[in-house]
Amino acid sequence: ELKVEQNPLFLSMQEGKNYTIYCNYSTTSDRLYWYRQDPGKSLESLFVLLSNGAVKQEGRLMASLDTKARLSTLHITAAVHDLSATYFCAVVPGSEKLVFGKGTKLTVNP
Amino acid sequence: EAGVTQFPSHSVIEKGQTVTLRCDPISGHDNLYWYRRVMGKEIKFLLHFVKESKQDESGMPNNRFLAERTGGTYSTLKVQPAELEDSGVYFCASSPRGLGNSPLHFGNGTRLTVT
Repeated sequence: ELKVEQNPLFLSMQEGKNYTIYCNYSTTSDRLYWYRQDPGKSLESLFVLLSNGAVKQEGRLMASLDTKARLSTLHITAAVHDLSATYFCAVVPGSEKLVFGKGTKLTVNP
Repeated sequence: EAGVTQFPSHSVIEKGQTVTLRCDPISGHDNLYWYRRVMGKEIKFLLHFVKESKQDESGMPNNRFLAERTGGTYSTLKVQPAELEDSGVYFCASSPRGLGNSPLHFGNGTRLTVT
């Protein structure tokens, strides 16, 4: 069974600091998605990574994909309070369904 | 454009009762998906429609769950009879051409509590 593991599951950080969230998956996937969810809201798409070595950046967030290592990272630069949310990665094991990690709940403290 | 709309946002029912969740996808999106997140667990796939046809229902937990998409527009997910373990957040998502290279668009979810 395909497993997608995120770590850490909970992250509390100070504003202005940098940190990385990791997403490991156990079988091949040619795509990886990162989503953000605010409490009670929908999952908002952040990045779609389509190939080995793909790197995408939006504001203070940067995502990368290493398909050989089956690893994606979501790097946060100079965190601000507005980034507080739960972040999910998801892969596609060759069918029309996303397989999600458990999510990383990020809290950015002033 | 309007996003994916789900109704109700919350539902509290007793064990043994029936509940019907509704999802209105983004207009023109032929692909519609249902996912569920049980407390503390991952978000898990339930099923996938293309227009009115079920393409994959491998994630449906058991025959107490019935999904329909008559006319290929909105979809309903009925749970009958509900059990305690059905509690969780049910998400609907849509896309114009399936997963492909594009993300799914998710609704806000319906939080179902079975007591």
